[in-house]
Amino acid sequence: GNSVTQMEGPVTLSEEAFLTINCTYTATGYPSLFWYVQYPGEGLQLLLKATKADDKGSNKGFEATYRKETTSFHLEKGSVQVSDSAVYFCALSPWGQGGKLIFGQGTELSVKP
Amino acid sequence: DAGVTQSPTHLIKTRGQQVTLRCSPKSGHDTVSWYQQALGQGPQFIFQYYEEEERQRGNFPDRFSGHQFPNYSSELNVNALLLGDSALYLCASSARTADSGSAFFGQGTRLTVV
Repeated sequence: GNSVTQMEGPVTLSEEAFLTINCTYTATGYPSLFWYVQYPGEGLQLLLKATKADDKGSNKGFEATYRKETTSFHLEKGSVQVSDSAVYFCALSPWGQGGKLIFGQGTELSVKP
Repeated sequence: DAGVTQSPTHLIKTRGQQVTLRCSPKSGHDTVSWYQQALGQGPQFIFQYYEEEERQRGNFPDRFSGHQFPNYSSELNVNALLLGDSALYLCASSARTADSGSAFFGQGTRLTVV
């Protein structure tokens, strides 16, 4: 079946530190991959996406590369800010299933000044 | 553009009761999906509606049902509420022709079953 596994949180970093949040997936066919972010008190927002192998999604200084050989889609940012504190969700949309999203359990990031 | 709007924002119900949650999609979107997010977990797909029909369904019992109206808005109904149904219910809208998964989410309805 289809599933997503994320590294467990919470992750606590100092401002300007490097961020990696690991995400691996299991899927049949060729899913699309996503990172969503949930800021405190707000709804889920699409952060970035990649729809085929070796694609790199990027937004707001975050990036993730679709690695089919390792079935991974790790989220990275070179220098985090306090405003990046949020819960990050890795998700996949199975090929041919029209927008259904399967989420990981989420990773809470806390950035300290 | 108001984005995706959900109502109510919070709701408290008693075990065994029935509840209806409502969602208005983002302007220009014709597809609505519903998710259940338990505390500390990722959202789980309940079902998706397009052209007023349920198109896909996740692993949820028949107590969970829905409807989509001609204006693309949607309702989620849950019958015979259980304590375990307490969760944040999220509505997501998308355009059928858009990239899969590029959905816009509402802020959710927090349902508490006592």
